[in-house]
Amino acid sequence: EVQLVESGGGLVQPGRSLRLSCAASGFTFDDYAMHWVRQAPGKGLEWVSGISWNSGSIGYADSVKGRFTISRDNAKNSLYLQMNSLRAEDTALYYCAKTVGSSGKYPFDYWGQGTLVTVSS
Amino acid sequence: DIQMTQSPSTLSASVGDRVTITCRASQSISSWLAWYQQKPGKAPKLLIYKASSLETGVPSRFSGSGSGTEFTLTISSLQPDDFATYYCQQYNSYRTFGQGTKVEIK
Repeated sequence: EVQLVESGGGLVQPGRSLRLSCAASGFTFDDYAMHWVRQAPGKGLEWVSGISWNSGSIGYADSVKGRFTISRDNAKNSLYLQMNSLRAEDTALYYCAKTVGSSGKYPFDYWGQGTLVTVSS
Repeated sequence: DIQMTQSPSTLSASVGDRVTITCRASQSISSWLAWYQQKPGKAPKLLIYKASSLETGVPSRFSGSGSGTEFTLTISSLQPDDFATYYCQQYNSYRTFGQGTKVEIK
């Protein structure tokens, strides 16, 4: 059974940093691209960042470019999101999502349950 | 960046109704479009990929169509379990979601 378990969320002050993790199990992690998607309270889904199976291809939404860094450790079956210079508008539930393929044009077939990040003073 | 526009934002319907949701891309995305269903407090669930392919396990009352810039999700006969919010997503270039369509009980 595919499982994605996010962790690392919490309350953080504006301008500070936070690192999210996603622990994957139930599939061959290094065969698939992975992504982060967020959802602000009561709002829609926003794609944040994605990384190919071998970290050779990485992309970011304009809203987080230069502040967030995605990475993965295939030996640990884990995905990460380093979030720096956090802003109030980064407050959201952050989901980890698995794609159907290793890189390129694939939708998301599995999602975690999310970890909540609240940016507030 | 590719923008995705869904309509309507909210849709009121009754059990048994045929429901159609539209998604428009700001530029051609070929058929690289997916539809997701999200219920309150839950993660999204993949329904349709490549514009018209039904994900395994998804009821056949769901169907998708379109290519280029215009896409539709149709529920042929709305069931009680279908009241939820639906999102389109382009995956031609990075990823972009539509703003969502909430299907509520009339």
